[in-house]
Amino acid sequence: EAQVTQNPRYLITVTGKKLTVTCSQNMNHEYMSWYRQDPGLGLRQIYYSMNVEVTDKGDVPEGYKVSRKEKRNFPLILESPSPNQTSLYFCASSSSLAGANNEQFFGPGTRLTVL
Amino acid sequence: DQQVKQNSPSLSVQEGRISILNCDYTNSMFDYFLWYKKYPAEGPTFLISISSIKDKNEDGRFTVFLNKSAKHLSLHIVPSQPGDSAVYFCAARVGGGSNYKLTFGKGTLLTVNP
Repeated sequence: EAQVTQNPRYLITVTGKKLTVTCSQNMNHEYMSWYRQDPGLGLRQIYYSMNVEVTDKGDVPEGYKVSRKEKRNFPLILESPSPNQTSLYFCASSSSLAGANNEQFFGPGTRLTVL
Repeated sequence: DQQVKQNSPSLSVQEGRISILNCDYTNSMFDYFLWYKKYPAEGPTFLISISSIKDKNEDGRFTVFLNKSAKHLSLHIVPSQPGDSAVYFCAARVGGGSNYKLTFGKGTLLTVNP
């Protein structure tokens, strides 16, 4: 089954404790992206990757890191989480945003709480 | 600066009636517009899209209309069903070559009452 998986689905942590949220897709997609969803703010892009070893900042990259060492994986790293990073996070992938078939497939989300 | 705006946080309609969700944008360089639907506890799923060179795209009960001069698009759902109750996000694409970016609106919560 074609899908985007994220782990963990739920995480409660404390300020300053490094964490990684994994994202994996099995569709051989080149484009991957991380979003956060907050009440009243909708979906905001954190980082995206056009292909392996190519990453770029989205609209709200502060406090986050990503890596794209292989095509299928795009982990989101919070080196020193803070309470304002409490949010619902979504990973997404797409074969490409170019052309007509530019829809993104989203993972189920990771609910992160930073105390 | 919010480039994609969904000014109605919520919309409530009766089953069988038409639902109209609106989206305004400011960047004239957007060349593709997409609608996503999101149920609670799930990720958004793609619904329908439209190229900026078109003014209408239809897929079953869902139709998207684009008015470029007004920088406005709308999603029509006819007839509305209770299963359509979800948050709907409007998104717009900008870029070129192999580098594109999607910008999302804040979403509109649609409730379809039986």
